[in-house]
Order: sequence, then C-alpha cells, then structure tokens
Amino acid sequence: AQSVTQLDSQVPVFEEAPVELRCNYSSSVSVYLFWYVQYPNQGLQLLLKYLSGSTLVKGINGFEAEFNKSQTSFHLRKPSVHISDTAEYFCAVSVTPIMDSNYQLIWGAGTKLIIKP
Amino acid sequence: NAGVTQTPKFQVLKTGQSMTLQCAQDMNHEYMSWYRQDPGMGLRLIHYSVGAGITDQGEVPNGYNVSRSTTEDFPLRLLSAAPSQTSVYFCASTPGGGPYEQYFGPGTRLTVT
Repeated sequence: AQSVTQLDSQVPVFEEAPVELRCNYSSSVSVYLFWYVQYPNQGLQLLLKYLSGSTLVKGINGFEAEFNKSQTSFHLRKPSVHISDTAEYFCAVSVTPIMDSNYQLIWGAGTKLIIKP
Repeated sequence: NAGVTQTPKFQVLKTGQSMTLQCAQDMNHEYMSWYRQDPGMGLRLIHYSVGAGITDQGEVPNGYNVSRSTTEDFPLRLLSAAPSQTSVYFCASTPGGGPYEQYFGPGTRLTVT
C-alpha cells in the first residue's frame, strides 16, 4: 500500500529564516504530488502540485518544492518565512489507478510550522 | 461563488444520537469526498462520490452513511454517534477523477460525549 511520511510533526523556525518541510512517499510508480496548507481553524487549500515536467515546482506565498524520484521525496521549502506562514502543512500523493480513473489521495500526517518572532 | 460550504461549524452529540453533516458545492464538480482529521493522522477518507447517485467507501467508512441525490449536495450521516467519532470533518470537491486540486470546506468540529 502507498504511504506518505512527513518526518517532522512540528518545525519551529525564526521569522525570516529559511525552512524545509520533508515529505517522502513509498510508491515506485508514477505519482502526482501535492502540498496543502491549513491555516488555524480553516479548511485545506492547495499550495502547489507536481504532475509532470520540471522537478522544481513553485507555489503560492513564496513556497516551492522539488520532486526527487530517486529519493522518492517532495520536500517543501521557503527561503524566508513570515509569521503569517504559521499553519499545518500536508503532503499528499496520488497514484495512477489501475482499475478506474479515480485518483485517490494518500495523505501525510501533517507538519506544524511554528514561527518564532 | 461560495465554493464548498459545510454546516454546522460545531456540534456536540451524546453517544447514540444521530445527525447529518451538510456539504454543498456550487462549482458543478463531479467528485465529492468526506474526510475526518484527527491529530497526528492526517486526513482519512470516509466516503466519496463520483457523481449524483454514485457513492463508495473510503478508508474509514464504518458508522457513516452518505447519499448523493444532486451534484451540489453530499451529506454525511452518523447513525449512532460514538466517542471515537469525535473529530474534525472536511468535505471536499474536485472537477473529475484526475489528479485535480481538491477544494475543501471550512470543516465541522464534532464532539461526542
């Protein structure tokens, strides 16, 4: 079965410092990769996604992620975080289905980004 | 264009009570899903629907029922609430069966005592 591992449950970082949130997945076949963000007391919204093409994907709010097929990773990065980036970040993977066209998402457990002033 | 709406935002139930969580979307999306979110466990799929009249089970369907009579609405029913169903519930929709963005509602925080 497919699985997604977010290695850190919480990442504290000082404001204006860089941050990397790690995500690894288990599939060896073609995958589609997503990062979603959940601000406090809100639903999730898409931050960025990798479907094909360039392995460096840029998203909203200055975030980017790099798809590394050999390491089965899709780490999220931001060069300088702001207090408004305080949120929980979820990595999700969708694997090309064999039997039907329903692309179910497999979700990581989430990483809480804590910005220290 | 309201996107995905959910009601209520908060609910407290006693064990054994039943209730329906409402979800509606105005984007004419075919696919709709219900997730529950528990601390440290990410999102787990409860039920999903690929179109009006078609529903299927996800990873954790026990204790929940769904129906999809219209494209817009996808209610989730708890038949006999249990404390293990205390969670935050999210409804999501997506245009079709491909690897598209999922659009989430604001969530319903349910406590079962």
